[in-house]
Amino acid sequence: ETGVTQTPRHLVMGMTNKKSLKCEQHLGHNAMYWYKQSAKKPLELMFVYSLEERVENNSVPSRFSPECPNSSHLFLHLHTLQPEDSALYLCASSPPQGQGNTGELFFGEGSRLTVL
Amino acid sequence: SQQGEEDPQALSIQEGENATMNCSYKTSINNLQWYRQNSGRGLVHLILIRSNEREKHSGRLRVTLDTSKKSSSLLITASRAADTASYFCATESLIQGAQKLVFGQGTRLTINP
Repeated sequence: ETGVTQTPRHLVMGMTNKKSLKCEQHLGHNAMYWYKQSAKKPLELMFVYSLEERVENNSVPSRFSPECPNSSHLFLHLHTLQPEDSALYLCASSPPQGQGNTGELFFGEGSRLTVL
Repeated sequence: SQQGEEDPQALSIQEGENATMNCSYKTSINNLQWYRQNSGRGLVHLILIRSNEREKHSGRLRVTLDTSKKSSSLLITASRAADTASYFCATESLIQGAQKLVFGQGTRLTINP
């Protein structure tokens, strides 16, 4: 148990649906991340938020829309997805620099997304 | 661009044997981290080695880093069935107060009882 909670754990959606993935941590971390893990591919960094400001957007299609309303919550809004977007979406967080930060990321268990 | 690349992609050994996984990367790093992932679960941090360190131990784990060769290795000694998982190396760069980790494709380790 890392303290990072993702919901839902499993999601099946059609290409015309709109859904959202949620990530929550109450660890006092100030940076949050979305990663995509597809079969036989390395983890892909999608978005990075630091102090609720997006600091990295790795050329992710606009059908993925992140939102970070506060330092404890991170969302990934999904709309008009494609079957190739089916993957495990992992959220992570990290504490502020210094303050005993060991440099590690704390991952949630992931949301398994299937797009039909 | 992809940083860490693990070798081998899959490794199957008998319980009690040692398992060695290798990682190569392409650019300068602040540190290199190793993570473990059980099937369908999230990643769990194992160990971090800084660019000025050459070797680090944590329990049955031993990590080495050779910055001249841009490579690292993870050794798990006296393996157990519970060590069956995928293992990933990740290189870190800092970005505006956050840590940007770039992961390799991982090594799938199977420990046979």
